[in-house]
Amino acid sequence: NAGVTQTPKFRILKIGQSMTLQCTQDMNHNYMYWYRQDPGMGLKLIYYSVGAGITDKGEVPNGYNVSRSTTEDFPLRLELAAPSQTSVYFCASKVGQGTDTQYFGPGTRLTVL
Amino acid sequence: GENVEQHPSTLSVQEGDSAVIKCTYSDSASNYFPWYKQELGKRPQLIIDIRSNVGEKKDQRIAVTLNKTAKHFSLHITETQPEDSAVYFCAASKVSGGYQKVTFGTGTKLQVIP
Repeated sequence: NAGVTQTPKFRILKIGQSMTLQCTQDMNHNYMYWYRQDPGMGLKLIYYSVGAGITDKGEVPNGYNVSRSTTEDFPLRLELAAPSQTSVYFCASKVGQGTDTQYFGPGTRLTVL
Repeated sequence: GENVEQHPSTLSVQEGDSAVIKCTYSDSASNYFPWYKQELGKRPQLIIDIRSNVGEKKDQRIAVTLNKTAKHFSLHITETQPEDSAVYFCAASKVSGGYQKVTFGTGTKLQVIP
């Protein structure tokens, strides 16, 4: 199993540009998450999904959109990028509801200039 | 909502000494408390977790304690080694709105000095 994979690893965007961060997991996990991690800070939940076709907002959803058309993929869309969205983005997944472990992807470092 | 506070923000210890990181949470409904280790430039990885029906859990040099009454939990690392140097995050988790909501602390940067 590759686990949770993310692309790209690094990206620089200009203000107002758009992009999609890709996340794929091959563990057949129902739950998937997107977090952002600002320098020296913890993880903030952007969006999550409990299964294909079902998504919901987390703590900091403004400026982002997600979709979940398959169990494996959970892309995060940034529209009209702003400097405040400069961060490291982590995707994570877990089997389902309950106290089981979240598995994190390697992260995408995004800079908006 | 849940609020998780973590202290200290940085911690330096000599190799072989013990390190303790403390977290407090606000929501008594939280019932699962994982700890993650994040090495520089890497992803967070679970190192130990504890559920609310347990007061203490140990895994080799790592232990976690939970005091539900006081709403605090701690990570203990004994016989520290240079490879323990990383940022450690605590988290508190509960079921909310049909999903497991996880709130992270702000992290502790641990430096083990050889």
